[in-house]
Formats: sequence, structure tokens, C-alpha cells
Amino acid sequence: LAKTTQPISMDSYEGQEVNITCSHNNIATNDYITWYQQFPSQGPRFIIQGYKTKVTNEVASLFIPADRKSSTLSLPRVSLSDTAVYYCLVGLNQAGTALIFGKGTTLSVSS
Amino acid sequence: GAGVSQSPSNKVTEKGKDVELRCDPISGHTALYWYRQSLGQGLEFLIYFQGNSAPDKSGLPSDRFSAERTGGSVSTLTIQRTQQEDSAVYLCASSLLGRNQPQHFGDGTRLSIL
Repeated sequence: LAKTTQPISMDSYEGQEVNITCSHNNIATNDYITWYQQFPSQGPRFIIQGYKTKVTNEVASLFIPADRKSSTLSLPRVSLSDTAVYYCLVGLNQAGTALIFGKGTTLSVSS
Repeated sequence: GAGVSQSPSNKVTEKGKDVELRCDPISGHTALYWYRQSLGQGLEFLIYFQGNSAPDKSGLPSDRFSAERTGGSVSTLTIQRTQQEDSAVYLCASSLLGRNQPQHFGDGTRLSIL
């Protein structure tokens, strides 16, 4: 099973770019890397997903090096509303049915 | 379109009572998941339904927990003889079929056992 490691918390200020790195040394060939965002009292929300190189959407960018053993979620010019928990997910559980959520990274954005 | 809907949003009950939590997935999503999230923790997988296949119940913590999915749509999670350690937020998600399909979550049911 692919295990992920990401910082427990990060602090930033409005307008800054935030990069959250996730390590996943034993990622499998058919595993994608998926990031979710969770606000208090809400369910997680899909942000972005990638397999290799770079993926960009209207919310974030995801950078994945050639060896795929890590990935970096980049949030450009964060605002107070980006304060949330960010989860990096790789691979599925033993039965191959569900994502494995760790504790995520709590991002706090201040003014 | 409508997202995943869960009810009730909050439930307070006494220890020993049974509770039923409901999930309405996104129409057309064949996969449905239940997770549990305790305060300040990540999500703990409970059970997975996919079409008419046998569900993956490997995450259910005890035989007091069970779930059904009727007609391939609505799902109910039942907890019998509730205990205080069952207090948590119970989240439901649905997705299209496929290993890497994004999961769409509801906002959960906050369950408090007195």
C-alpha cells in the first residue's frame, strides 16, 4: 500500500504562493496522485489529480517529478478562504476499493 | 447539479440506542463510500458499494455497524447499540466507476452519543 507523508501544518499570508509537498516513495505504477481540500464542517472536495509532470486547473497546479515519489500542490496567491486541510492521496486500500486518507496538512492563511 | 446529500446533518442520541444515517449519492454514480472522521483526524474508510457487486465491508469497526444500498442509489448506515466512541462525523461519497475517479463527498452527519 502506498503511504504518504505530508507536513502536519503550514502558515501563510494572503497573496503568497503556497507549496505543499507530499512524499509517496512506494507509489505503484497504476496509482494516480489526488489532492482534496476540506473546510470545517464540510466533506472533502476534489482539487486536482495527476499521474506525471504537471497538471494545472483553475484552482491549483500539481507538480510531479519523473520518479513520481513525491508531488507538490501549488496554490497561487492564497486568500483567507484557502484556510483548510489538504489531503494527498495515492493508491487504494487493501481491497482496492477506497482511498486512504491521512491527517492531511492544515493550511492557515492570515491577513 | 445536485451533489451528495446526507441526512440528518446532526444527530444526538443516548448510548445504547440505534441510529440510521442516510446518503443520497449523485445520480449515475455507481460507487458509494462511507467514511468516519473523528475530531482532528483523517477519514477512516468503513464500507464501499459498487453496482450489484458484494460490498467491501473491510472497514466496519464492529458487527454493530451495517449498511445497505437499495436499488443502486440511496444508502443507509446503521449503528446498533451506540457507544460513546461512535461519536464522529460520518461522511458519504459517490463516484463513477473506475480506480481513479474523483469521489464527491456530502457534508456528513455529526453523530453525538451522550
